[in-house]
This record gives sequence, C-alpha cells and structure tokens, in this order.
Amino acid sequence: DTGVSQDPRHKITKRGQNVTFRCDPISEHNRLYWYRQTLGQGPEFLTYFQNEAQLEKSRLLSDRFSAERPKGSFSTLEIQRTEQGDSAMYLCASSQPKTRLAGGASSYNEQFFGPGTRLTVL
Amino acid sequence: RKEVEQDPGPFNVPEGATVAFNCTYSNSASQSFFWYRQDCRKEPKLLMSVYSSGNEDGRFTAQLNRASQYISLLIRDSKLSDSATYLCVVNVGVDKLIFGTGTRLQVFP
Repeated sequence: DTGVSQDPRHKITKRGQNVTFRCDPISEHNRLYWYRQTLGQGPEFLTYFQNEAQLEKSRLLSDRFSAERPKGSFSTLEIQRTEQGDSAMYLCASSQPKTRLAGGASSYNEQFFGPGTRLTVL
Repeated sequence: RKEVEQDPGPFNVPEGATVAFNCTYSNSASQSFFWYRQDCRKEPKLLMSVYSSGNEDGRFTAQLNRASQYISLLIRDSKLSDSATYLCVVNVGVDKLIFGTGTRLQVFP
C-alpha cells in the first residue's frame, strides 16, 4: 500500500496521559498536514510541514500539542496531559510540492488523507 | 460565523433522483474550491475541484459563483453507492483546507 498510513488506528487513554501518533506520508510528497475531526464536523486544520519545517500552526493547537517531522519524512503528533475534549479523529494528509504555472499562479496539489487515528480520552 | 457553511442534511433520496448540495464561504481571498467525499468512519477523498466555468465528471456537476461566494454540487441519477457525507472545501493561501461540516446523503432503493 503506497498511500498515507497512520499508527495507531485507535487509541484509548485516560485523562492526563500523554499520547503520540505517527503519520507516514506518500514517499515523494514533501508536504504533510495534520487535521482533527470531531463527530458531525468537518476536519479542522491543525498544522503543516514542508519537508522538516513546520510552516503554520492553527490556534486550535494548544501548548499541549506538538508536532514534528525531524527528517522530512514521517511525522509525529504528541498530545500531553490529554483532556476529554481531545477525543477526536486525527487525520494526516500529504501532497506533492506545488509547481509554478504560467502566469505566476501555483498549482494546487491534491491532499491525500490517511485513515486517521481515533483518540478516546476517558 | 463558520468560514464554510453547509446544510448538514441528511438528504434522503431514492435511487435515480437528482440531488443538489450548496455551500457558502466567507473568505473572499479563497483561491481553490473542492468537494470531498467521506464515507462513514473513513478518510475524506477528493471528489472534484470546482471552477467558475463549472465542471462535470460523469453524474456530478460542480459550480462556483465567486461573486456570491457560493459553491454547488449536483448529483444526477443517484446510486446507492453515492451514500456518504459530502464536504465543501475551500483552500485559503498555503494549501490550508477549510472544510464545511459536510452534508450527509442517504440514497435508498
């Protein structure tokens, strides 16, 4: 399978514990994104990387959240001191580098999503 | 106000029906527009991009009205396999996707 993979697929933890999720993007993709999706809502952007550089973080990403992509390949998302409100599906996506089109515009490259990690905080 | 607003549905339609979903977005600087499909407990997948000129892919037609900040998706001849949640998505700047809450479609025999 050459798609985006995430591990674990499910995680149940007690409030106050730390959890770490892993995302392996499609191999030639240099952009990697994290989103969070709660029941009945669409995914919400958390952060994204271009290679190893974290270029943007959402206000949703509190100090308890940290994401890394140390070698520009896989990424980890850690949540410290989990709270019940952190229960959600955490989705990772990756895309190819943008290319410059005629006229100066940049292409949009499709973001491919992984299957997600479903977190339940008790 | 949410950046991307959709009617959550559900839309319950019989096979063969035509169904239309609408969506509005608030950021006039939005650059790209999409419909994603999400099956129950699965990841979102790109259904189609949306252009001002309108675009069609088989039974699916998408339309963008930049002046009204309005996006639509029309599904003709609905199939049971079309049952899913349809997410209206807007790209603002650096490929940050802003999703609507999704519209749930249930096609029945």
